[in-house]
Parts: sequence; C-alpha cells; structure tokens
Amino acid sequence: GENVEQHPSTLSVQEGDSAVIKCTYSDSASNYFPWYKQELGKRPQLIIDIRSNVGEKKDQRIAVTLNKTAKHFSLHITETQPEDSAVYFCAARGGAGGTSYGKLTFGQGTILTVHP
Amino acid sequence: EAGVAQSPRYKIIEKRQSVAFWCNPISGHATLYWYQQILGQGPKLLIQFQNNGVVDDSQLPKDRFSAERLKGVDSTLKIQPAKLEDSAVYLCASSLTAVRETQYFGPGTRLLVL
Repeated sequence: GENVEQHPSTLSVQEGDSAVIKCTYSDSASNYFPWYKQELGKRPQLIIDIRSNVGEKKDQRIAVTLNKTAKHFSLHITETQPEDSAVYFCAARGGAGGTSYGKLTFGQGTILTVHP
Repeated sequence: EAGVAQSPRYKIIEKRQSVAFWCNPISGHATLYWYQQILGQGPKLLIQFQNNGVVDDSQLPKDRFSAERLKGVDSTLKIQPAKLEDSAVYLCASSLTAVRETQYFGPGTRLLVL
C-alpha cells in the first residue's frame, strides 16, 4: 500500500518567517494531495490541496508544490503568525491502478510552533 | 452547512469492556470513513463505507472492531472487548463521493482504556 513520510516532525520559527514541510509518497498512482491543520483537541481541517495534474497551488500565505517525478510535495507558509501554530498533516490519495485506490494515507504530522 | 457530528466526545472505559461511537455525516455525503488517531500520529483509516456498503476494511481489527452504516447515513463503530492499545481519538469523516471529493472530519471521540 501507500506510504507517506513527513518531515520535519517539529518545526519552530519566529513570527514573520517562512515554514516549509515536506512529504514523500511511494505509490506513483496517487493523484490527490491534501494538507490538514489540526489544532490541539480539534478536528483536522483542510487548508489546501493539489491534484496530480498541477505543479503548484497558492492561497494567500499558503502554497503547495508537487513533484510527481520525485514523488514529493511540500507545504509553504509565508509570513507565519502565532495562530499558524498547530500540527500539520500531509496525505496522499491512491489513484486508479494503484494499490490504495481512493484511500487517503496520512503522514506522521509536523508540530509547527510560531514564536511571537 | 452542518459539519460531521460525533458522539460521545470523550469516553473512559476499562480494558475488556465494550464501547460504541456514533457518527452523523454531512447531509448528502455518500462516503463515510472511520479513522483511528493515536497520540502523535496521523489518522489511520479503519473502514470506509460507500452508502451502506463497505469499500475498504483492510485495517480494521475484525476480531474486536465492528462498524455498520444502516440506511447509508449514520454509522456506529464498536470495540468489544477493548484493549489498552485502543486508546486513541476516533475520527469520522465524510465526502460526497470516494474518489474525487474532499474529506471533512468530525470532532472525534477521545477514548481512554484503563
């Protein structure tokens, strides 16, 4: 099945700095890559996603890039703010012909702390 | 739009006891998922329903876990008997369809097995 590796496990930045979280996946048939933000004790919430026919997507301070050849994708947060502090999870959804068709596999999570 | 609802929010039981969780997906969402999230890890899919049929339950420990989705709407997840390692947050999610749509998560049920 799909395997998703996420790095780093913890990330500490100063307010205003950028933060980058990277994920790799194993199933070349995977075709959808969402990022979720989970605050302490709360539900995971989708913050941005990208499909395999696109290389980059931006939404205000958040961007995601995808390199299908290398099978990795990254989350970029610019001008970080203390309220960005949370756990971030990447995920990959299997595509047709793969071993994890339609199934979301999550990374282990990154604890992001933004210091004022 | 109302989100995914789950109950209870917290549950403490002793090992070997039984427990059940309930999920009400977003109205009109055909696909429903149950995930287990152990502290410090990402959610792990336990079972996926399409309407009232099971699509994937390959990671469900079927000797102790069971789930159903009668009438293709609400779902229940049961653990019987519970083990210490079942302590986790159980998240329910739903999506319009399985393959192309975003999954929306409920608030989760935090289970502690003593």
